[in-house]
Amino acid sequence: DSGVTQTPKHLITATGQRVTLRCSPRSGDLSVYWYQQSLDQGLQFLIQYYNGEERAKGNILERFSAQQFPDLHSELNLSSLELGDSALYFCASSVGGQGEEGGYTFGSGTRLTVV
Amino acid sequence: DQQVKQNSPSLSVQEGRISILNCDYTNSMFDYFLWYKKYPAEGPTFLISISSIKDKNEDGRFTVFLNKSAKHLSLHIVPSQPGDSAVYFCAPISSGSARQLTFGSGTQLTVLP
Repeated sequence: DSGVTQTPKHLITATGQRVTLRCSPRSGDLSVYWYQQSLDQGLQFLIQYYNGEERAKGNILERFSAQQFPDLHSELNLSSLELGDSALYFCASSVGGQGEEGGYTFGSGTRLTVV
Repeated sequence: DQQVKQNSPSLSVQEGRISILNCDYTNSMFDYFLWYKKYPAEGPTFLISISSIKDKNEDGRFTVFLNKSAKHLSLHIVPSQPGDSAVYFCAPISSGSARQLTFGSGTQLTVLP
């Protein structure tokens, strides 16, 4: 158990639908990062939050949004889902907003399947 | 635009021998380099890192070498063990405020008993 909790572990939904993925960071970590891993691809950085504020954006589609709540958990919202959105979505956390080398802890991911 | 390339999708090595995993990058702003290991159905776990001001970092069976002029780094595992079988990702960090990881596509290492 890495200390980063992601729910649900698996999600199957239809095209056009909207889903919410949840991440609880490791205790004491203020920063949350979201990554997407499509089939046979590396992990693509989506977005980072630090202590409730958006810190950095990567290749995140406009149909996707995220937020970090006062208790530091984060949610990734995916809407108007397409088949190509099927992927593993990982959340990682770190203590500081700058990120400590080696200090990124990943959750076990949410596998999203869009049918 | 792939900033981080791991050109070998897979590598098979005999138990006890050396495993060498390679990573090339193009972004000169990377100032720290991490290696992550990933088992199926699990998230990536941190393995070893190296700062851009160094050319070698060693931790037990794992050694990472950095050649800044060639924009190349490699991970050496010796001796390799069957439990090392996993996907290995090279993940540099760019200097700047965000400090997010940029992942390569990974190399599947299989250590044969």
